Parts: sequence; C-alpha cells; structure tokens
Amino acid sequence: DSGVTQTPKHLITATGQRVTLRCSPRSGDLSVYWYQQSLDQGLQFLIQYYNGEERAKGNILERFSAQQFPDLHSELNLSSLELGDSALYFCASGGTGKDTQYFGPGTRLTVL
Amino acid sequence: AQKITQTQPGMFVQEKEAVTLDCTYDTSDPSYGLFWYKQPSSGEMIFLIYQGSYDQQNATEGRYSLNFQKARKSANLVISASQLGDSAMYFCAMRAPGRVDSSYKLIFGSGTRLLVRP
Repeated sequence: DSGVTQTPKHLITATGQRVTLRCSPRSGDLSVYWYQQSLDQGLQFLIQYYNGEERAKGNILERFSAQQFPDLHSELNLSSLELGDSALYFCASGGTGKDTQYFGPGTRLTVL
Repeated sequence: AQKITQTQPGMFVQEKEAVTLDCTYDTSDPSYGLFWYKQPSSGEMIFLIYQGSYDQQNATEGRYSLNFQKARKSANLVISASQLGDSAMYFCAMRAPGRVDSSYKLIFGSGTRLLVRP
C-alpha cells in the first residue's frame, strides 16, 4: 500500500459528460501529480500541484482541470468527455520535488 | 529533450533465474533521477528502485539492483532469483525538472512486459 488513495476505482460514463477524480496524498506529502495511461500514448504527465498551487503542466487538454485543496487532497475534472479519454488515471504524491513519487491505485475511466 | 527508451517490449525468464531489463535515457541536465516501477495486471504502479545521477554506487533494494552506466546513459534493472509474482510490466522513468522550483514530473518509457515461467 503506497498510502495514496484514489476514488473511484472504476468510472463508466458517456461521451459529453463530466467526471471528477479524487486523490488523497500520503501523509506529509505536499505535491500531487496526475498522470494518464492509455494504450496509444503510454504514461503521460498531466499536471502537478504543490501545496495548493499549480507547479507544472504537461499534456493536459483544455477540457481537463485540476485543483488541490487546503487539506492537500486533489481533484481532476474531466469534461466534454470523448471516447479517447478512456484511460487509467493515476495520482502520485511526493514531498519536495526530488522525492520519489508514490502512485495511487488509479481510476479506470471508460467513456462509452 | 528528455527521453526514456525501453527496447524490449516483452521478455521471458525462468523462475529462479536472473533477468536484466534495459533502459536508456537522454537528458542534458546534470542532475536527474532514474526510477523503476512495476505494474502488475491489477494495474497499480509500484515503486521499486531509485538512482540519482550523482550517486557513486549502484542502487539495490532486495532482489532488485540498478546497473547504472552514466557514460552510456543506461539504467538497467536486474532482478535476481525471479519469482512467479515478478510477472508484470516494468517501467523505467526519469525525473525531469521544470521551470519552477519544486516542479518535477516523471517521463516514462514504453515499458517491458516480463513473464516468469515456472
């Protein structure tokens, strides 16, 4: 158990809908990272938050947004969903930037 | 640009034997970190081992060791005494610094699927 929690574990929805993925980092970790794992793109970095502030952005679509709350949990919002958004979404947490990133169990999103 | 290359899409190994999974990287940053993660069929990403670019010795964690050859820009994972539970996808990753302090992300290779035969 990495100590990082993600909910829900599975999510099935339709095209055009909006979903929210939730992540709680390990106790004491200030950074939350979101990654997307898809068959065609592999594992890709989406966005990082550090102590409530956005720190880095990767290949994140404009339809996607994220935030980190004062209690350090984070949410990834995906809107106007398309079939191609079906993927495994991971949250990872770390302390200072150079620390090892520990991954949550992931949320498997299926868009029908 | 930073890049991680894993050239072995799939590998077989006999139980109790050692296996080496290849990873090469490309970066112009003198300070970097290299990681290996294991992803079993259940989907979770499990951290295995870390090597810093300034570390003088190769990292070891139980049955896992990292063969770090800086001049060749390679960071191969060695699993000794393979077990059936080692069957999984293995990803090599590099920590890439961002433009802002405390801004880091991981760049992943495409992975190697290891199957341990009984």
